[in-house]
Amino acid sequence: QVQLVQSGAEMKKPGASVKVSCKASGYTFTRHYMHWVRQAPGQGLEWMGLINPTGRNTNYAQKFQGRVTMTRDTSTSTDYMELSSLRSDDTAVYYCARDISDATSSWWLDPWGQGTLVTVSS
Amino acid sequence: SSELTQDPAVSVALGQTVRITCQGDSLRTCYASWYQQKPGQAPVLVIYGKNNRPSGTPDRFSGSNSGNTASLTITGAQAEDEADYYCYSRDRSANRWVFGGGTKLTVL
Repeated sequence: QVQLVQSGAEMKKPGASVKVSCKASGYTFTRHYMHWVRQAPGQGLEWMGLINPTGRNTNYAQKFQGRVTMTRDTSTSTDYMELSSLRSDDTAVYYCARDISDATSSWWLDPWGQGTLVTVSS
Repeated sequence: SSELTQDPAVSVALGQTVRITCQGDSLRTCYASWYQQKPGQAPVLVIYGKNNRPSGTPDRFSGSNSGNTASLTITGAQAEDEADYYCYSRDRSANRWVFGGGTKLTVL
């Protein structure tokens, strides 16, 4: 079955970087974009950006420009999201989610990874 | 920029019908998709496209669209439908994707 499995929880100090992985299985990895979404404690979902099927192009939310890097390893069907210069308000659960779209102006995310908790604290 | 606006909280009596709405300019050109999230769990897709349900979504869930508003309707709400619901769409003008702020559904 289609599955996204993310790396485990991380605890980081302010100013550090974190790299979260998302390993895909059950589908042709190079046919789909991957999005990254985060959710701070008690808050809603926030779109961070995406990487294209080949891994050559990315599109980041303006809020994260300059701090986020999304990469793809097609040989292992794994996507990565690295966030640098971490602050306490980056404490959140980070999700990867597979993009699907059709010809009718519709985009959706399915499935989602299980989430990775990143805690930023001194 | 285009944002998606949802009511923060909605309640429904067990077995009754509830509609959760999502408003935004991007919805004039792109369909919304809808996600259910229960505490401590990842979001799960429940409606996509014009009105499509993934396998596993009960048929009491349906979607509709009119102008700048997308709606998720639950006909005959069940206790297990109590959750947070998020809409999601593409903002073509800014080449980004956006989520609504989420609606907390309480089943009474």
